[in-house]
Amino acid sequence: QKEVEQNSGPLSVPEGAIASLNCTYSDRGSQSFFWYRQYSGKSPELIMSIYSNGDKEDGRFTAQLNKASQYVSLLIRDSQPSDSATYLCAVNNWAAGNKLTFGGGTRVLVKP
Amino acid sequence: GAVVSQHPSWVICKSGTSVKIECRSLDFQATTMFWYRQFPKQSLMLMATSNEGSKATYEQGVEKDKFLINHASLTLSTLTVTSAHPEDSSFYICSPTGLSGTTDTQYFGPGTRLTVL
Repeated sequence: QKEVEQNSGPLSVPEGAIASLNCTYSDRGSQSFFWYRQYSGKSPELIMSIYSNGDKEDGRFTAQLNKASQYVSLLIRDSQPSDSATYLCAVNNWAAGNKLTFGGGTRVLVKP
Repeated sequence: GAVVSQHPSWVICKSGTSVKIECRSLDFQATTMFWYRQFPKQSLMLMATSNEGSKATYEQGVEKDKFLINHASLTLSTLTVTSAHPEDSSFYICSPTGLSGTTDTQYFGPGTRLTVL
């Protein structure tokens, strides 16, 4: 069983709609959760970090964390074609050496 | 976010040669450096972790004698791929973390695409 799981997609979303990405993790000791966006041929760039249960909003992005269910999600509102990329979920357990564990990524396609 | 540079951004080499990749943290002191590689259509895989002035710790399955990591200063770390072979062709990305970072947030360098012929 993979430690961090994501649906590989592609997730096809009309422009202006909401894209909903999900991520589940197996390590209950995880404390930090991150969403990265990666364009083809580029390195990941940080979108959001979340540490507490609940929602965290930043512009068009909202991260949701539910530690009891071991679930973290990312919502992208008013999706734009420039949001087309692979979104990586990453999880960190500080006690395990402060190393990020990445999911396989979800490819998002925003169609004009 | 942090400013990280990698050099070169891409390199093509012949099988059997060695390639050195540099990673610099430009606006903070990187006490820890993570090196990742990413094969096409796959996610990032951690190769090794190094702390400034110490030997690197390698992940299972990563040959320490093949991937030499030097982290001699707080702003520079290097990864040398020795005797490179076509299967080493990949996207190599560094991720420094340091004293001025936000808790454990990791930022990534722009990456180096290695192609071994």
